[in-house]
Amino acid sequence: DGGITQSPKYLFRKEGQNVTLSCEQNLNHDAMYWYRQDPGQGLRLIYYSQIVNDFQKGDIAEGYSVSREKKESFPLTVTSAQKNPTAFYLCASTFGPESTGELFFGEGSRLTVL
Amino acid sequence: AQSVTQLGSHVSVSEGALVLLRCNYSSSVPPYLFWYVQYPNQGLQLLLKYTTGATLVKGINGFEAEFKKSETSFHLTKPSAHMSDAAEYFCAVSLKYGQNFVFGPGTRLSVLP
Repeated sequence: DGGITQSPKYLFRKEGQNVTLSCEQNLNHDAMYWYRQDPGQGLRLIYYSQIVNDFQKGDIAEGYSVSREKKESFPLTVTSAQKNPTAFYLCASTFGPESTGELFFGEGSRLTVL
Repeated sequence: AQSVTQLGSHVSVSEGALVLLRCNYSSSVPPYLFWYVQYPNQGLQLLLKYTTGATLVKGINGFEAEFKKSETSFHLTKPSAHMSDAAEYFCAVSLKYGQNFVFGPGTRLSVLP
């Protein structure tokens, strides 16, 4: 079945370590997004990419980095510069020849920094 | 800039009672409108969407929403709440088809036995 796969589901890291979250989609979507979710704060946009080899900062990009080398993959690196990385991270995709207008989401990755 | 407000961060209803979750948006042009549901530690699942056409939209699990342009609202309703409806609900808008999404802060729905 088509969908978005995020891994790992749960991740624990020590403070100061970089962490990479994986996001893979087989929906043939052009655009991919990373959101951060904290309790009571809804979804905040970190980065998005509308085409391979191009991406733009969202509202809270500081301390994060991304790459888009393949259409189906959009990994997110949480760097040591991110002051409060503990959160639930959601990857989403949309738009393309078969677009139906909405965002499709992965199951999320919960990062806990100890 | 567009924005989305959801009145009530937490709503409680009794099982079998009407569910009403409110969503208002600010936009200079007619937007595309969405409701998503999120269960704990899961991603967001689309409940329903309004793009064009009929302003009363039916979605999954018995939910529906009505786009009221004059009130800039897109409230979500369900006639009879079920225990399985307990979750967090997000309203979202986009001004361009498939792009520029803005989410509301979410409303947590509790269903009491």
